[in-house]
Order: sequence, then C-alpha cells, then structure tokens
Amino acid sequence: GESVGLHLPTLSVQEGDNSIINCAYSNSASDYFIWYKQESGKGPQFIIDIRSNMDKRQGQRVTVLLNKTVKHLSLQIAATQPGDSAVYFCAETIFNAGNMLTFGGGTRLMVKP
Amino acid sequence: GAVVSQHPSRVICKSGTSVKIECRSLDFQATTMFWYRQFPKQSLMLMATSNEGSKATYEQGVEKDKFLINHASLTLSTLTVTSAHPEDSSFYICSARASGGAWGKKETQYFGPGTRLLVL
Repeated sequence: GESVGLHLPTLSVQEGDNSIINCAYSNSASDYFIWYKQESGKGPQFIIDIRSNMDKRQGQRVTVLLNKTVKHLSLQIAATQPGDSAVYFCAETIFNAGNMLTFGGGTRLMVKP
Repeated sequence: GAVVSQHPSRVICKSGTSVKIECRSLDFQATTMFWYRQFPKQSLMLMATSNEGSKATYEQGVEKDKFLINHASLTLSTLTVTSAHPEDSSFYICSARASGGAWGKKETQYFGPGTRLLVL
C-alpha cells in the first residue's frame, strides 16, 4: 500500500558492502512477490521475483528471501555499488488470479563511495 | 526485457487544460495496463486498470470523468487528465502486464519511465 505523508525509510551503506532491504507484506494469501528498483524521476524497474513455493531465489548480485511464516521478504544486494542507489519497492499478489500488485512503502538505498 | 514507453516524459500546462499521456508496450502485447500516480517520497498509488477493448476499472476515490482512460489496442493505453488543476501535479506511471509468451509470468508488471505533470 501507500505511505501517505511518510518519509521513506533510508538505508545507507558503504560501497562494496552488502545491503539488506526488508519488506513486511500484508496478505497471507499472497504467493507471488516482486522487487522493483526505482531511480529518481524514472519508473520502477523489475529486479527479481519469487513464488511462495520457494524461500530463496538468486539473481545477479541479488538474492530474495521469503519467510511466509512471518510474512517477510528481503532483498540482498551483494557488493553494493553507487548505481544501486535508488528506492526499492516490494510488491505482492496472488499468482494467476489476475489480481493487481500491492506495493510496499519503499526503502531508499543510499550508497556512499 | 519487456519495454514500456510513455510520452511525454514531462509536461507543464496551465490550469484548466487537458493533458494526454500515452503508454505503449514496445515489444509485447499487453491486454492489461495499469495507471499509477506517485507523490514525492511515496509509493505508487494505483489509479485504474485498463483492459484492451473494455472500460477501465477505477480505484476508489479516483474520478473516472477526471482521468479518462482509453486502451485502444494491445500496445497502447492513454490517460487524459481533463481540466487539470495544480493538485493534479504528480508523477504518472503506467505499467503493462504481458499476455503471456516469452515474457512469462502474467503477474509481472513492466513499468514505463513515468510522466511528470506540472499544472500551473
């Protein structure tokens, strides 16, 4: 959902360190999750997705972890680079049900050189 | 990957004028497109769901006569902000959901680059 009137939480990391961005989702029936990256003034960019039959999925420098018990999703970025600086959103939905995505509030990642 | 374009990327208009924003899926067919608006430092707010060949479905609180949506083909949806006012100034983003095929998962939405609207 939307975070009306709230500032985005910010995660500040040093270049080269690993980043972990967390997301708590709301619907226990959701079984498909996506992480998006949004740079300033641009639209969200698909990063990685995961279905609920998995608890971990790896991409290039990114890993998504899913804990269905506590309805928690995380995005891990290895060897964070300045180009990773952006706002990251998680989104949830029910796979193949034709439902819309429900977006989390977002986290701003700032990478210090 | 799947590419979605928006035009224009930025528009400044006078209060009372209407503004049309185009959303195109460039390399895939999208039976469903979505329109969002985003205020600074906030998440995306879904405005409406646009289905090709049928009327759009609007979210609660979004005026359908204010935000006209037309999904004329499998690759084009338009959002027209009618009689725009300063409070309509925002970042408008469209997304397209692939109909299937090479782009795989039906739920994955691919987003356009957004349109910054400033109403004076």
